[in-house]
Amino acid sequence: GAVVSQHPSWVICKSGTSVKIECRSLDFQATTMFWYRQFPKQSLMLMATSNEGSKATYEQGVEKDKFLINHASLTLSTLTVTSAHPEDSSFYICSAIDPRQGGTEAFFGQGTRLTVV
Amino acid sequence: AQTVTQSQPEMSVQEAETVTLSCTYDTSESDYYLFWYKQPPSRQMILVIRQEAYKQQNATENRFSVNFQKAAKSFSLKISDSQLGDAAMYFCAYTGANSKLTFGKGITLSVRP
Repeated sequence: GAVVSQHPSWVICKSGTSVKIECRSLDFQATTMFWYRQFPKQSLMLMATSNEGSKATYEQGVEKDKFLINHASLTLSTLTVTSAHPEDSSFYICSAIDPRQGGTEAFFGQGTRLTVV
Repeated sequence: AQTVTQSQPEMSVQEAETVTLSCTYDTSESDYYLFWYKQPPSRQMILVIRQEAYKQQNATENRFSVNFQKAAKSFSLKISDSQLGDAAMYFCAYTGANSKLTFGKGITLSVRP
């Protein structure tokens, strides 16, 4: 199956700083990627849809100025958490659609555990 | 809007036994896909099984099978011959025309040795 790589796996940052998370499709081109947030023992909450070459589409209630998404190439989307605060601590997961497989199945990165201190 | 409901937060099964995880969904779309994902402690999302709505035949993957009742909007997962490695959180998910995945709340499955 298709491979999606997310980096870093975990990161600790200080309050007020920004942190960037990368999501790469390693063996396919992904025009669309998705970013999720997951709290412990809870479901995945879709934050935004990342579209290559255009602005991301954010879900209701997600601050677009706090969570900056850039999809500059067909294999890379980045999520930048700006001016991070402890309440931004969470597990962030990306996924990408492989168009070679009918465009219906999402492949997930390993996730990034963000801790803001 | 589409919704996915998993009403059981936890289940437990004896090793080698069979367990069924329930899921219902609501949609007005006629063409869609349903999935079961497994999330072990590593938190990597793993696709267990998928079902195309237009297919009447229930999907099977080795020990995993689904009972897809389209009219009732029900999509349950049956795990046969449960193994210790099956212990994880399981999510039912829906995708339609916009390719977005809508997840249920998930169920934590434990396997007793």
